[in-house]
Amino acid sequence: GAGVSQSPSNKVTEKGKDVELRCDPISGHTALYWYRQSLGQGLEFLIYFQGNSAPDKSGLPSDRFSAERTGGSVSTLTIQRTQQEDSAVYLCASKVGDTQYFGPGTRLTVL
Amino acid sequence: DQQVKQNSPSLSVQEGRISILNCDYTNSMFDYFLWYKKYPAEGPTFLISISSIKDKNEDGRFTVFLNKSAKHLSLHIVPSQPGDSAVYFCAASGLFGNEKLTFGTGTRLTIIP
Repeated sequence: GAGVSQSPSNKVTEKGKDVELRCDPISGHTALYWYRQSLGQGLEFLIYFQGNSAPDKSGLPSDRFSAERTGGSVSTLTIQRTQQEDSAVYLCASKVGDTQYFGPGTRLTVL
Repeated sequence: DQQVKQNSPSLSVQEGRISILNCDYTNSMFDYFLWYKKYPAEGPTFLISISSIKDKNEDGRFTVFLNKSAKHLSLHIVPSQPGDSAVYFCAASGLFGNEKLTFGTGTRLTIIP
């Protein structure tokens, strides 16, 4: 399909371990966002990539979170030394015009 | 500080009737508003949007109304269908440089056959 894809769909990890979440945006979309949705909450902005510009990391909750985007396409969100409060659905979106299109998300569970 | 609020966590509507979902915002810098629909285990799906220069946008059964002075928008679905049962999120963006979306907490709509 031509939509945003994310992997894995589910990830269970132990507290203290590192995890990597992947996002493949829609081809040609230069803007890419990461959000997360914790239980009972709305979606919370994490980080924004636009072309070759430096990413906007203003939404990252701590320095354990980082993200990169290689070749202007695929993006990886890395969480180091995971904590139980990191448990959430992590969503990636790419944008065309004013509209963001979301992937199916990765459900992260930290035990 | 919840800048986008959806005060009704749930709503039940009879099939064929009108569903009205409401959203309030506090930040006057928001200039673009969107509604997303979300099914379980799926990402949000874009439904309809409206720019702050308009007060109404219509797309088939879906109409979004924007009242800037009241900082309020609503989504009307008519007629409601069973497939409309989902969680609906209101989102807003502004000229903040990153155009990130600020989301409400969602309203779970249930259409009763």
